[in-house]
Amino acid sequence: AQSVTQPDIHITVSEGASLELRCNYSYGATPYLFWYVQSPGQGLQLLLKYFSGDTLVQGIKGFEAEFKRSQSSFNLRKPSVHWSDAAEYFCAVGARGFKTIFGAGTRLFVKA
Amino acid sequence: NAGVMQNPRHLVRRRGQEARLRCSPMKGHSHVYWYRQLPEEGLKFMVYLQKENIIDESGMPKERFSAEFPKEGPSILRIQQVVRGDSAAYFCASSPGQAPNTEAFFGQGTRLTVV
Repeated sequence: AQSVTQPDIHITVSEGASLELRCNYSYGATPYLFWYVQSPGQGLQLLLKYFSGDTLVQGIKGFEAEFKRSQSSFNLRKPSVHWSDAAEYFCAVGARGFKTIFGAGTRLFVKA
Repeated sequence: NAGVMQNPRHLVRRRGQEARLRCSPMKGHSHVYWYRQLPEEGLKFMVYLQKENIIDESGMPKERFSAEFPKEGPSILRIQQVVRGDSAAYFCASSPGQAPNTEAFFGQGTRLTVV
């Protein structure tokens, strides 16, 4: 069955430190992969997506993600976190053409 | 070009009442998706609609829930005889083509509270 696992429910990093959010997926074919960010009380904003091609994907707000087929992973990274990055982050896999399956999310806290 | 508009943002209903959630897709988008987010969980797919057609409703509960996307006007998610377990955030997304081949844009959601 298709699924997305985000192992970390919460992560706390210091402002200026690097960030990596983990995402593992289970999908039978080449997946469409996404990272979304959700600020409190807001909808989801797409950070980046992977459909095919270069396995290192650049997104908005300085985020990037790397698709590793051998590890079934699509981890999100940022070299230097800003306080405004505090939010919830969702990894998602596009399935069957339109059903997007979301992970449970990782809440990021940024400390000064 | 306004984004996906959902209203109301917050909705409080007593048990047994009906809830109507509205979603106006972005201009030029004819594909609409509804998701439900329970507290501390990710979004769960409910239904996918195109104008006047339900394409896939495999994520919708079999009873009390219905969705439509008429030729004119917004898409409506309707929940009849609400129960406490229906309390959640309901998100609508729209895309110009069939997601995920094209990007789906999300609204800010409607937070339903059943008291």
